[in-house]
Amino acid sequence: DIVMTQTPLSSPVTLGQPASISCRSSQSLVHSDGNTYLSWFQQRPGQPPRLLIYKISNRFSGVPDRFSGSGAGTDFTLKISRVQPEDVGVYYCMQATQFRRTFGQGTKLEIK
Amino acid sequence: EVQLVESGGGLVKPGGSLRLSCAASGFIFSDYSMNWVRQAPGKGLEWVSVIGRGGTPIYYANSVRGRFTISRDNDNNSLYLQLDSLRAEDTAVYYCARSPPGDTPDYWGQGALITVSS
Repeated sequence: DIVMTQTPLSSPVTLGQPASISCRSSQSLVHSDGNTYLSWFQQRPGQPPRLLIYKISNRFSGVPDRFSGSGAGTDFTLKISRVQPEDVGVYYCMQATQFRRTFGQGTKLEIK
Repeated sequence: EVQLVESGGGLVKPGGSLRLSCAASGFIFSDYSMNWVRQAPGKGLEWVSVIGRGGTPIYYANSVRGRFTISRDNDNNSLYLQLDSLRAEDTAVYYCARSPPGDTPDYWGQGALITVSS
C-alpha cells in the first residue's frame, strides 16, 4: 500500500497568517490515466471530513479560495493564505490513485 | 442536496457481527462508487472499502479483508457493510462516502459508531 506522510503533525498559527501542510507519498501518485488523485480533507471537531481539494489543486464546491493545493509526483502541499478561526481542525491528505486508498496521519491546525 | 445517512451502529461483543447501512439521496446513486471510511476514537481516518457503480470492482483494506463485506442496492439507493469476526480494534465511527468512479470521496455521511467490547 502507498504510505502517506504528513508534516507537521501539529501547526500552531496566528490568525490572518498563512499556514502550510506537506504530504509525501511512498510512490508516485500519477495514475495510468495521467491524473494524480491526491486530495485534501478538513475535519472540524465533531464533524465528518469535508473535501477541500481534489486532483492536487482543484478546489471543491464551496471551498474558500484561501485554500490552495500544489505539488506533483510524490510531494504535495496544502496552503491556507490567511488562517481564519473556522479553519481550526485536522487536515488529511489522501491518495486515490491506488485501488486501496490511504490517508496521511493528519495535521492538527490550531490558533496560537 | 446530497445526503448520506448511516445506521446500524451499536455495541457488539468481540467475535460478533453487525451490518451497517447507508441511505443515499439527492443524487443518482448508480452513477457513483461508494466507500466506507472509519475513524477510531481520537485517531485518524482509515479507508475501509470501496464498491463500484454496478457492484464491482470491490476493494478492501488489508485490516478488514476476509471479515468485512461491502455491497450495494442501486434500486433502493443503499450501501451496506457487513462486519463479521469483530475485534476491539474495529471500534470506530464508520462513515459512508460517495466518490466519482476512480476518484476521491466527495460527500460524507455523519457516521455511525461501532463499539466492540465485552
